[in-house]
Amino acid sequence: TQLLEQSPQFLSIQEGENLTVYCNSSSVFSSLQWYRQEPGEGPVLLVTVVTGGEVKKLKRLTFQFGDARKDSSLHITAAQPGDTGLYLCAGLGYNAGNMLTFGGGTRLMVKP
Amino acid sequence: EPEVTQTPSHQVTQMGQEVILRCVPISNHLYFYWYRQILGQKVEFLVSFYNNEISEKSEIFDDQFSVERPDGSNFTLKIRSTKLEDSAMYFCASRKGIRETQYFGPGTRLLVL
Repeated sequence: TQLLEQSPQFLSIQEGENLTVYCNSSSVFSSLQWYRQEPGEGPVLLVTVVTGGEVKKLKRLTFQFGDARKDSSLHITAAQPGDTGLYLCAGLGYNAGNMLTFGGGTRLMVKP
Repeated sequence: EPEVTQTPSHQVTQMGQEVILRCVPISNHLYFYWYRQILGQKVEFLVSFYNNEISEKSEIFDDQFSVERPDGSNFTLKIRSTKLEDSAMYFCASRKGIRETQYFGPGTRLLVL
Protein backbone atom coordinates (compact mmCIF):
# COMPACT_ATOMS: atom_id res chain seq x y z
CA THR A 1 0.00 0.00 0.00
CA GLN A 2 1.38 3.39 -0.99
CA LEU A 3 1.23 6.15 1.59
CA LEU A 4 1.77 9.87 1.30
CA GLU A 5 2.54 11.80 4.46
CA GLN A 6 1.80 15.49 4.25
CA SER A 7 3.11 18.07 6.71
CA PRO A 8 2.28 20.21 8.44
CA GLN A 9 -1.39 19.33 8.94
CA PHE A 10 -2.26 22.88 9.96
CA LEU A 11 -0.50 26.15 9.34
CA SER A 12 -1.55 29.61 10.46
CA ILE A 13 0.58 32.50 9.28
CA GLN A 14 0.44 36.25 8.75
CA GLU A 15 -0.02 37.83 5.35
CA GLY A 16 3.31 38.31 3.64
CA GLU A 17 5.07 35.34 5.21
CA ASN A 18 6.51 32.44 3.24
CA LEU A 19 5.63 28.80 3.85
CA THR A 20 6.47 25.32 2.63
CA VAL A 21 4.28 22.24 2.63
CA TYR A 22 5.88 18.82 2.34
CA CYS A 23 4.64 15.58 0.89
CA ASN A 24 6.74 12.46 1.57
CA SER A 25 6.56 8.78 0.75
CA SER A 26 8.71 5.68 0.69
CA SER A 27 7.12 4.81 -2.66
CA VAL A 28 8.04 6.04 -6.10
CA PHE A 29 5.30 7.80 -8.04
CA SER A 30 5.10 8.30 -11.78
CA SER A 31 3.75 11.78 -11.17
CA LEU A 32 2.49 13.90 -8.35
CA GLN A 33 -0.37 16.33 -8.36
CA TRP A 34 -1.19 19.20 -6.04
CA TYR A 35 -4.80 20.16 -5.49
CA ARG A 36 -6.60 22.82 -3.55
CA GLN A 37 -9.93 21.96 -1.99
CA GLU A 38 -12.53 24.39 -0.67
CA PRO A 39 -15.06 23.21 1.95
CA GLY A 40 -17.82 21.09 0.39
CA GLU A 41 -16.19 21.06 -3.04
CA GLY A 42 -14.01 18.74 -5.07
CA PRO A 43 -10.23 19.02 -5.35
CA VAL A 44 -9.14 21.52 -7.98
CA LEU A 45 -5.87 20.79 -9.73
CA LEU A 46 -3.04 23.26 -9.24
CA VAL A 47 -0.16 21.47 -10.94
CA THR A 48 1.21 18.10 -12.02
CA VAL A 49 4.92 17.32 -11.70
CA VAL A 50 6.26 14.36 -13.63
CA THR A 51 10.04 14.41 -13.90
CA GLY A 52 12.35 13.87 -10.92
CA GLY A 53 13.79 17.23 -9.85
CA GLU A 54 11.15 19.15 -11.77
CA VAL A 55 10.22 22.61 -10.55
CA LYS A 56 7.04 24.37 -11.62
CA LYS A 57 5.91 27.87 -10.75
CA LEU A 58 2.38 29.16 -10.60
CA LYS A 59 2.60 32.86 -9.69
CA ARG A 60 3.70 32.84 -6.02
CA LEU A 61 3.49 29.05 -5.74
CA THR A 62 6.54 26.89 -6.46
CA PHE A 63 6.20 23.12 -6.73
CA GLN A 64 9.11 20.71 -6.69
CA PHE A 65 9.26 16.98 -7.33
CA GLY A 66 12.07 15.13 -5.60
CA ASP A 67 14.85 13.61 -7.65
CA ALA A 68 13.76 10.10 -6.66
CA ARG A 69 10.07 10.90 -7.31
CA LYS A 70 9.16 10.00 -3.74
CA ASP A 71 8.53 13.46 -2.34
CA SER A 72 7.35 16.89 -3.28
CA SER A 73 7.04 20.35 -1.81
CA LEU A 74 4.86 23.39 -2.28
CA HIS A 75 6.34 26.75 -1.40
CA ILE A 76 4.22 29.88 -1.23
CA THR A 77 5.95 33.23 -1.26
CA ALA A 78 4.38 36.27 0.40
CA ALA A 79 1.17 34.47 1.34
CA GLN A 80 -2.11 36.31 0.99
CA PRO A 81 -5.48 35.74 2.69
CA GLY A 82 -6.77 34.39 -0.63
CA ASP A 83 -4.33 31.49 -0.28
CA THR A 84 -6.30 30.21 2.69
CA GLY A 85 -7.57 26.69 2.05
CA LEU A 86 -6.81 22.97 2.09
CA TYR A 87 -3.87 21.85 -0.02
CA LEU A 88 -3.64 18.20 -1.05
CA CYS A 89 -0.86 16.27 -2.67
CA ALA A 90 -1.70 13.11 -4.58
CA GLY A 91 0.64 10.59 -6.16
CA LEU A 92 -0.01 8.50 -9.22
CA GLY A 93 1.43 5.02 -8.87
CA TYR A 94 2.28 2.36 -11.38
CA ASN A 95 -0.68 0.11 -10.62
CA ALA A 96 -3.16 -1.06 -13.20
CA GLY A 97 -5.94 1.22 -12.04
CA ASN A 98 -3.79 4.35 -12.11
CA MET A 99 -5.52 5.69 -9.05
CA LEU A 100 -4.28 8.56 -6.94
CA THR A 101 -3.02 8.17 -3.41
CA PHE A 102 -3.78 11.30 -1.43
CA GLY A 103 -1.93 12.89 1.43
CA GLY A 104 -3.86 14.00 4.48
CA GLY A 105 -3.84 17.64 3.45
CA THR A 106 -2.48 20.87 4.87
CA ARG A 107 -5.02 23.37 6.09
CA LEU A 108 -3.55 26.82 5.58
CA MET A 109 -4.88 29.99 7.15
CA VAL A 110 -3.36 33.32 6.16
CA LYS A 111 -4.36 36.13 8.46
CA PRO A 112 -4.46 39.71 7.18
CA GLU B 1 -13.56 24.60 -20.07
CA PRO B 2 -15.02 21.07 -19.82
CA GLU B 3 -15.82 19.89 -16.30
CA VAL B 4 -16.81 16.72 -14.51
CA THR B 5 -20.33 17.13 -13.16
CA GLN B 6 -22.06 15.18 -10.41
CA THR B 7 -25.66 14.83 -9.26
CA PRO B 8 -27.15 15.16 -6.78
CA SER B 9 -25.03 17.58 -4.81
CA HIS B 10 -26.55 16.29 -1.57
CA GLN B 11 -28.37 13.06 -0.75
CA VAL B 12 -29.93 12.03 2.55
CA THR B 13 -31.04 8.44 2.88
CA GLN B 14 -32.10 5.93 5.49
CA MET B 15 -29.78 3.09 6.46
CA GLY B 16 -30.43 0.04 4.28
CA GLN B 17 -31.69 2.03 1.30
CA GLU B 18 -30.09 1.97 -2.12
CA VAL B 19 -28.52 5.10 -3.55
CA ILE B 20 -27.20 5.89 -7.01
CA LEU B 21 -24.69 8.69 -7.43
CA ARG B 22 -24.33 10.06 -10.92
CA CYS B 23 -21.38 11.55 -12.75
CA VAL B 24 -20.85 12.93 -16.22
CA PRO B 25 -17.12 12.73 -16.96
CA ILE B 26 -15.38 15.03 -19.42
CA SER B 27 -16.53 13.93 -22.86
CA ASN B 28 -13.31 12.66 -24.45
CA HIS B 29 -11.98 11.03 -21.30
CA LEU B 30 -11.54 7.28 -21.15
CA TYR B 31 -10.67 6.49 -17.53
CA PHE B 32 -13.16 7.01 -14.71
CA TYR B 33 -12.84 6.91 -10.96
CA TRP B 34 -14.79 7.15 -7.73
CA TYR B 35 -13.20 8.40 -4.54
CA ARG B 36 -14.72 9.20 -1.20
CA GLN B 37 -13.81 11.51 1.66
CA ILE B 38 -15.23 10.94 5.11
CA LEU B 39 -15.50 14.21 7.00
CA GLY B 40 -12.09 15.29 8.27
CA GLN B 41 -10.26 12.37 6.63
CA LYS B 42 -8.18 11.71 3.53
CA VAL B 43 -9.59 11.32 0.06
CA GLU B 44 -9.69 7.55 -0.52
CA PHE B 45 -9.76 5.64 -3.78
CA LEU B 46 -12.77 3.38 -4.36
CA VAL B 47 -12.67 2.13 -7.94
CA SER B 48 -11.28 2.76 -11.39
CA PHE B 49 -13.08 1.93 -14.63
CA TYR B 50 -11.83 1.64 -18.17
CA ASN B 51 -13.15 0.06 -21.34
CA ASN B 52 -16.45 -0.82 -19.63
CA GLU B 53 -14.91 -2.77 -16.81
CA ILE B 54 -13.40 -2.24 -13.40
CA SER B 55 -9.61 -2.05 -13.63
CA GLU B 56 -8.92 -1.78 -9.91
CA LYS B 57 -10.86 -1.45 -6.68
CA SER B 58 -9.95 -0.83 -3.07
CA GLU B 59 -10.94 -2.91 -0.04
CA ILE B 60 -13.63 -0.32 0.66
CA PHE B 61 -15.38 -1.25 -2.60
CA ASP B 62 -17.12 -4.39 -1.36
CA ASP B 63 -20.15 -6.24 -2.72
CA GLN B 64 -22.46 -3.42 -1.68
CA PHE B 65 -20.88 -1.15 -4.28
CA SER B 66 -21.18 -1.30 -8.04
CA VAL B 67 -20.37 0.99 -10.94
CA GLU B 68 -21.86 1.28 -14.36
CA ARG B 69 -21.50 3.30 -17.51
CA PRO B 70 -25.03 2.87 -18.83
CA ASP B 71 -24.56 5.09 -21.88
CA GLY B 72 -21.86 7.16 -23.53
CA SER B 73 -21.91 9.95 -21.00
CA ASN B 74 -22.92 8.83 -17.50
CA PHE B 75 -20.89 6.96 -14.90
CA THR B 76 -22.75 5.82 -11.81
CA LEU B 77 -21.90 4.50 -8.37
CA LYS B 78 -24.55 2.39 -6.67
CA ILE B 79 -24.59 1.49 -3.00
CA ARG B 80 -27.11 -1.32 -2.53
CA SER B 81 -27.77 -1.17 1.19
CA THR B 82 -26.31 1.93 2.77
CA LYS B 83 -24.69 1.89 6.18
CA LEU B 84 -24.09 4.77 8.56
CA GLU B 85 -20.38 4.63 7.77
CA ASP B 86 -21.07 5.26 4.09
CA SER B 87 -21.74 8.90 4.97
CA ALA B 88 -19.09 10.86 3.08
CA MET B 89 -18.39 13.11 0.12
CA TYR B 90 -18.16 11.01 -3.03
CA PHE B 91 -16.05 12.37 -5.86
CA CYS B 92 -16.04 11.25 -9.45
CA ALA B 93 -12.92 11.85 -11.52
CA SER B 94 -11.91 11.25 -15.11
CA ARG B 95 -8.79 11.37 -17.23
CA LYS B 96 -8.09 11.32 -20.92
CA GLY B 97 -5.03 9.13 -21.15
CA ILE B 98 -3.21 6.64 -19.05
CA ARG B 99 -0.78 9.03 -17.33
CA GLU B 100 -2.69 12.25 -17.70
CA THR B 101 -4.17 14.44 -15.02
CA GLN B 102 -7.33 13.38 -13.20
CA TYR B 103 -10.05 16.00 -13.00
CA PHE B 104 -12.50 15.87 -10.14
CA GLY B 105 -16.17 16.67 -9.96
CA PRO B 106 -17.67 18.82 -7.19
CA GLY B 107 -18.80 15.80 -5.20
CA THR B 108 -22.02 14.39 -3.77
CA ARG B 109 -22.46 14.68 -0.04
CA LEU B 110 -24.17 11.50 1.16
CA LEU B 111 -25.69 11.36 4.62
CA VAL B 112 -27.00 8.03 5.87
CA LEU B 113 -29.34 8.25 8.84
